[in-house]
Amino acid sequence: QSALTQPPAASGAPGQSVTISCTGTSNDVGVYNYVSWYQQHPGKAPKLMIYEVNKRPSGVPDRFSASKSGNTASLTVSGLQADDEADYFCGSYAGINNWVFGGGTKLTVL
Amino acid sequence: QLQLQESGPGLVKPSETLSLTCTVSGGSISNNNYLWVWIRQPPGKGLEWIGRIYYSGGTYYNPSLKSRVTISVDTSKNQFSVKLSSVTAADTAVYYCATLPKRYSGYDGFDYWGQGTLVTVSP
Repeated sequence: QSALTQPPAASGAPGQSVTISCTGTSNDVGVYNYVSWYQQHPGKAPKLMIYEVNKRPSGVPDRFSASKSGNTASLTVSGLQADDEADYFCGSYAGINNWVFGGGTKLTVL
Repeated sequence: QLQLQESGPGLVKPSETLSLTCTVSGGSISNNNYLWVWIRQPPGKGLEWIGRIYYSGGTYYNPSLKSRVTISVDTSKNQFSVKLSSVTAADTAVYYCATLPKRYSGYDGFDYWGQGTLVTVSP
């Protein structure tokens, strides 16, 4: 069982927006602004999409945005495209040089 | 642009020790702006942090694996390695090496990843 809780699945039509949640505790997501999000296509390594709650690495489209409220972080994908179909994982610093992840959400573009 | 590549046996017997190496190219493992990490992913499941090492050798491990894991670095070969002892079927996973960069406020966001290597624990 993963430390962070994500819905197993999410979906949306092309062009629409979808939001994926990531719920932790007051020991990780709730206390640290070190929340990251990863996109993983089948058979590939995860790709960093968001770090420090809401910052996008160079090259990640601004259609990907994220936020945090209390113990829950959220990733929003706007203007859904076919290539956005993938698994999405959240991660958080949990103190004492320890990191935790979510179980992943499978995003389907209808 | 850093590139990471995992190598090691794809099959390990129960109770034995899993050993993997990550070779870094495109940059120096002695770069003090990075932590070097291992992460694993059981088939069809989420990610699990294994541990990290600094180029000078300082390590931290996932508390749930701490008694069985050792991460080491060889700066002369630009490599870092992980050993996991007393493995069971539950240790079957894709093992990734990755980097954790030092940002303005701290370390966050694993940005470079190896392609991953599947290690199966089976008799």
